[in-house]
Amino acid sequence: GESVGLHLPTLSVQEGDNSIINCAYSNSASDYFIWYKQESGKGPQFIIDIRSNMDKRQGQRVTVLLNKTVKHLSLQIAATQPGDSAVYFCAENMDTSGTYKYIFGTGTRLKVLA
Amino acid sequence: AAGVIQSPRHLIKEKRETATLKCYPIPRHDTVYWYQQGPGQDPQFLISFYEKMQSDKGSIPDRFSAQQFSDYHSELNMSSLELGDSALYFCASSPGQHNSPLHFGNGTRLTVT
Repeated sequence: GESVGLHLPTLSVQEGDNSIINCAYSNSASDYFIWYKQESGKGPQFIIDIRSNMDKRQGQRVTVLLNKTVKHLSLQIAATQPGDSAVYFCAENMDTSGTYKYIFGTGTRLKVLA
Repeated sequence: AAGVIQSPRHLIKEKRETATLKCYPIPRHDTVYWYQQGPGQDPQFLISFYEKMQSDKGSIPDRFSAQQFSDYHSELNMSSLELGDSALYFCASSPGQHNSPLHFGNGTRLTVT
């Protein structure tokens, strides 16, 4: 079916450590993926995206890895800071009969410990 | 930079009342999406519009309707409200090109009592 899921609902990391948030997607035809960060009371905020013709993309302190073979997506945050505490969602863009929609997975709450 | 504007930020309604949520997309974005997010849940796709035409439909109840106007703003109309409709409602816009990220507003928190 159409679903994007995450393995860990809550991730606690020490400040300064690296964080890895994982996501499994089910539709092998999806060709575009996005990571969003959502802070309390706010809308999801775009972090980084990746197209299916890539397997890695780097941003500022963040890296997204895409493994199409196992339909797995991960977000790596380097030197995690208190401001990184939020819920993180992955989303896949899939073609549904000629139109595209974005399907979100269950979020992972990242807690940064001082 | 201009962002997606949603109004109102908070709305309290009673059961069986109606509600209208408004969304003003980023300038030059012609595609609008509506999502519903319950507490601790991921955003659930409701409906989308491209160039003022409905482009896709998700898990939107028949009691809800939406449209996109000539200035590209969109409204989500909700009737016969139920307690279970209490949620955050997000609007997102994109330039309508495939492989473009959605840009979200800060949502409308609807509480049905």
